Amino acid sequence: EAQVTQNPRYLITVTGKKLTVTCSQNMNHEYMSWYRQDPGLGLRQIYYSMNVEVTDKGDVPEGYKVSRKEKRNFPLILESPSPNQTSLYFCASTNLGGKRYNEQFFGPGTRLTVL
Amino acid sequence: GENVEQHPSTLSVQEGDSAVIKCTYSDSASNYFPWYKQELGKRPQLIIDIRSNVGEKKDQRIAVTLNKTAKHFSLHITETQPEDSAVYFCAASGRGATNKLIFGTGTLLAVQP
Repeated sequence: EAQVTQNPRYLITVTGKKLTVTCSQNMNHEYMSWYRQDPGLGLRQIYYSMNVEVTDKGDVPEGYKVSRKEKRNFPLILESPSPNQTSLYFCASTNLGGKRYNEQFFGPGTRLTVL
Repeated sequence: GENVEQHPSTLSVQEGDSAVIKCTYSDSASNYFPWYKQELGKRPQLIIDIRSNVGEKKDQRIAVTLNKTAKHFSLHITETQPEDSAVYFCAASGRGATNKLIFGTGTLLAVQP
C-alpha cells in the first residue's frame, strides 16, 4: 500500500530539548516536504527536498532543520524547540512523474506540544 | 508573493443542498489546482484536482471549475451529506521547479442533517 508514515504521532516536550520527527514514504517520490498547520493559517511549508541531499527552505524554516540522506526518509529536526513551535506537523510526498504529476500525499500528522 | 485566497472560511448547509467554495490565486504560471478534505484529527486527503488545460472536472457529487483568465477556481459539492462535513483546502502550484503547493486557509463545511 502506497503511504507516507510519520513518527511519533503525538509528542509533548519541554523548551530546548532536541527532537526529531521521522517521515518515510514507499512511493519512490523524489519530492518531499514538511508543513505545519495552525488554526486560521492553513498549511505552511517549512522545508522541502527535491531529491537526496537536496533540501531548501520553505515559507517558515526558522527553528527547523531537515536532512535527506535516503530517498524514502525526510526527518524534521528541532534543535531547540520553543513554545511557538507547538503545532500540527505534516510530512508530504509528491509525485513528479506521469499523469499524476504534482499529486501530493500527506502523512498522518504529528501533534507537537512544547512546554 | 504567491498567494491563494479561499472563501468562505465557514459554510453551513442543509443536507441535500449544494456547497460552493471559491479560491483565487496570484501566480499566473500556476497550472495545477488540487482540493483536499481534512476530517477532524486526520490528514488532508486529495479529493479532486484540475490542471490548467481543462475548465471543469467532475467526480460523482464533486466538481471543480477553473477560470484561468480570472485566476480563480471553485469546488462544488452537490447533494451534500453529513459525512461531507470537514475542512476543505484549495491549493495552487507555485512558480518554477520547486513543485511547491500554495494552500488556501481552509473552509469549515458543516452539513446539517
